Amino acid sequence: EDQVTQSPEALRLQEGESSSLNCSYTVSGLRGLFWYRQDPGKGPEFLFTLYSAGEEKEKERLKATLTKKESFLHITAPKPEDSATYLCAVQESGGSYIPTFGRGTSLIVHP
Amino acid sequence: EAQVTQNPRYLITVTGKKLTVTCSQNMNHEYMSWYRQDPGLGLRQIYYSMNVEVTDKGDVPEGYKVSRKEKRNFPLILESPSPNQTSLYFCASSTGTGFYEQYFGPGTRLTVT
Repeated sequence: EDQVTQSPEALRLQEGESSSLNCSYTVSGLRGLFWYRQDPGKGPEFLFTLYSAGEEKEKERLKATLTKKESFLHITAPKPEDSATYLCAVQESGGSYIPTFGRGTSLIVHP
Repeated sequence: EAQVTQNPRYLITVTGKKLTVTCSQNMNHEYMSWYRQDPGLGLRQIYYSMNVEVTDKGDVPEGYKVSRKEKRNFPLILESPSPNQTSLYFCASSTGTGFYEQYFGPGTRLTVT
């Protein structure tokens, strides 16, 4: 069973059509949850780190939230340049420094 | 400009021919790591290093070696590559291992025939 599950696998939106991406995790204790953006042919680019349930962070049209079992990446009024794959990763508390990445959500925003 | 560089960006090689992928960062970061990315599997960590001369295995270390003799460099070595090591490889660095953002390199696409 995957420790980090992202849904949907793919999402197509019209420009301006707001939506949310989900990242659910099953680690027993959370040290941190990370969101990255990855454009085709490039390395992931850091977006947010969330540490505890109830925390929220925003950057332009993106807002990340965290509960005890999942995180949401809300995209408000997306633009075509927001098209990318969004990756979620978690670090489990208790000694291991190895982050576990989800498989990502591929987002396409049509003009 | 703060960045992580990798070389080569593309490499096609044959089974058993030793190769090294270089990684260098100019941000004075202590923590560096290597990942491989395969379709449907996501990013998986191969090795990481918390400082010079300190390295440890990630989730998928088999068939790989690393060294950290200088803070800025973290090469990935494949002593005897096999076709199942065909993948997209990323090097990353950060200021710490916990709550810190990782900066990723542009990737190295390796094909082993």
